[in-house]
Amino acid sequence: KQEVTQIPAALSVPEGENLVLNCSFTDSAIYNLQWFRQDPGKGLTSLLLIQSSQREQTSGRLNASLDKSSGRSTLYIAASQPGDSATYLCAVADRGSTLGRLYFGRGTQLTVWP
Amino acid sequence: ETGVTQTPRHLVMGMTNKKSLKCEQHLGHNAMYWYKQSAKKPLELMFVYSLEERVENNSVPSRFSPECPNSSHLFLHLHTLQPEDSALYLCASSQGPGPNAYEQYFGPGTRLTVT
Repeated sequence: KQEVTQIPAALSVPEGENLVLNCSFTDSAIYNLQWFRQDPGKGLTSLLLIQSSQREQTSGRLNASLDKSSGRSTLYIAASQPGDSATYLCAVADRGSTLGRLYFGRGTQLTVWP
Repeated sequence: ETGVTQTPRHLVMGMTNKKSLKCEQHLGHNAMYWYKQSAKKPLELMFVYSLEERVENNSVPSRFSPECPNSSHLFLHLHTLQPEDSALYLCASSQGPGPNAYEQYFGPGTRLTVT
């Protein structure tokens, strides 16, 4: 069974810092990896999706990398802002499943203070 | 707004009560999911419906009973729950089966407290 681990569990930084959130997974036979953002009372929003054949994806100040062979992904947030405060979840999709089965980590709770 | 709504947003129920959670998607998707998010575990998949047919039951106790009357609506019927069932229950939808099934859109969740 796929297990996903996220480090750190919580992070509190001043505005403007560049951040790195880490995700690791135990089975490298994945279809893709996603990073989600979860705001209180608002469910999950997909930020970036990296296919297994890709090395990275970028969206604005966010950059996610994937090293499938070592079972690792990082989410890089540049020039952090208070509006980035949320919980960030990493989710892995197993290869071979057509049902959209995702395995989630526990998340990193990020607080960016002014 | 993701196009997936859930009601109620908060629910407190006793162990002997029967209640239902409702999910509705306005995205034209044909697959719907129930997830459980508790404080002690990562987000866990409970049920998957594809084309209104249940295709996966992830070893969920029978006190949770899903229903999918059509591709836009999904229910989770609850009865004789335990305090450890207190959690955030999230609904999601996607265009599945196939690769698009991984692009799931989530509702805001129902915060359930069992007393």
